Amino acid sequence: DIVLTQSPASLAVSLGQRATISCKASQSVDYDGDSYMNWYQQKPGQPPKLLIYAASNLESGIPARFSGSGSGTDFTLNIHPVEEEDAATYYCQQSNEDPPTFGSGTKLEIK
Amino acid sequence: QVQLVETGGGLVRPGNSLKLSCVTSGFTFSNYRMHWLRQPPGKRLEWIAVITVKSDNYGANYAESVKGRFTISRDDSKSSVYLQMNRLREEDTATYYCSRDGYDKNYAMDYWGQGTSVTVSS
Repeated sequence: DIVLTQSPASLAVSLGQRATISCKASQSVDYDGDSYMNWYQQKPGQPPKLLIYAASNLESGIPARFSGSGSGTDFTLNIHPVEEEDAATYYCQQSNEDPPTFGSGTKLEIK
Repeated sequence: QVQLVETGGGLVRPGNSLKLSCVTSGFTFSNYRMHWLRQPPGKRLEWIAVITVKSDNYGANYAESVKGRFTISRDDSKSSVYLQMNRLREEDTATYYCSRDGYDKNYAMDYWGQGTSVTVSS
């Protein structure tokens, strides 16, 4: 199975500043020139919400302050400028190979 | 709009069975693979099963942790997907989610239900 290592486990960012979350895969999640890395936001008591798919594509309805980048084994989620409502846990997930796997999550606190 | 609603969770003794249902609306259900995932309290998400579409013979795939105990199925006429869980263990305690496979989004899971809680305890 592909192991996804997220860092940091938690971070606190001031309102209006940038939050950066890293996700490293144990093997490449690229195929045929495309990346199969996705990012989700989860708030307490709620299901995950898809933010970014294919490494850098913004899901419909998601604010443009969310962005994703990366390829191969190294991926990043950026949130800028951070808003109060962005307080949540963020997960990366690979869909290149079965079974789909998730990172351990990054809890974002807004200062 | 797209909706997924899970039901069937509850408290069950170890070794017993439970069947979860996920009723969907707002999209052409028969065109999409469907997943079940779970999340133990305070832990990461774990994918547990997927079922394909009719053209792929409704093939199913499972996580090793549930293989041989859980069975995923679907009824396209009811836009529903199911998870039959047998020989339940305490470590199966979790919130269970169904999700839609976004085949046009590099297979990201683009819609999720609210989840149903399963507690396995004596």
